[in-house]
Amino acid sequence: KQEVTQIPAALSVPEGENLVLNCSFTDSAIYNLQWFRQDPGKGLTSLLLIQSSQREQTSGRLNASLDKSSGRSTLYIAASQPGDSATYLCAVDSGNTPLVFGKGTRLSVIA
Amino acid sequence: GAGVSQSPRYKVAKRGQDVALRCDPISGHVSLFWYQQALGQGPEFLTYFQNEAQLDKSGLPSDRFFAERPEGSVSTLKIQRTQQEDSAVYLCASSTAGTDPTYYNEQFFGPGTRLTVL
Repeated sequence: KQEVTQIPAALSVPEGENLVLNCSFTDSAIYNLQWFRQDPGKGLTSLLLIQSSQREQTSGRLNASLDKSSGRSTLYIAASQPGDSATYLCAVDSGNTPLVFGKGTRLSVIA
Repeated sequence: GAGVSQSPRYKVAKRGQDVALRCDPISGHVSLFWYQQALGQGPEFLTYFQNEAQLDKSGLPSDRFFAERPEGSVSTLKIQRTQQEDSAVYLCASSTAGTDPTYYNEQFFGPGTRLTVL
């Protein structure tokens, strides 16, 4: 059974700092991995999707990497801003199956 | 609209009441998923439809939970005799998986319905 773990559970950083969120999964046979953002009381916004054949994806200040063999992904946020404050969720797709989510990392960026 | 919509956005129920939560997927998406997200947790899978067929309901926590998608579009999640432990955000997602084998199953989520059972 696929299990997804996210570390740290919560993170507080000053504005402008670069930061890394970690995601690990137990079964490396995946189709893709997605990073989502969730604001309080809101649904999920997809940030980046990395297919199993890819090593990384970039969107603006966000960069996500995938090391399938070791079961790890990282989300790198450059030059953090207070507007980046949210919960970041990692989810793994093992192929036409429901996504398996981690519990998320709650990020606070302090102005 | 172009995205997944859910209604109501908020629902307060007294313990023992029945509730019905609605999901309107993106037009043309054949796959539809329901997830339950408890406070401080990641979403957990409840059930999955491909068109009108419910292919997987292994995540439904009890027989009080029932989902349907009779015409392969709108879906309803029904919870009978609600309990306090049913309080959560219920998320719906849709995707094109099942129609294009080269598409990597990206799921698009609605805003969720926050259910509070008193």
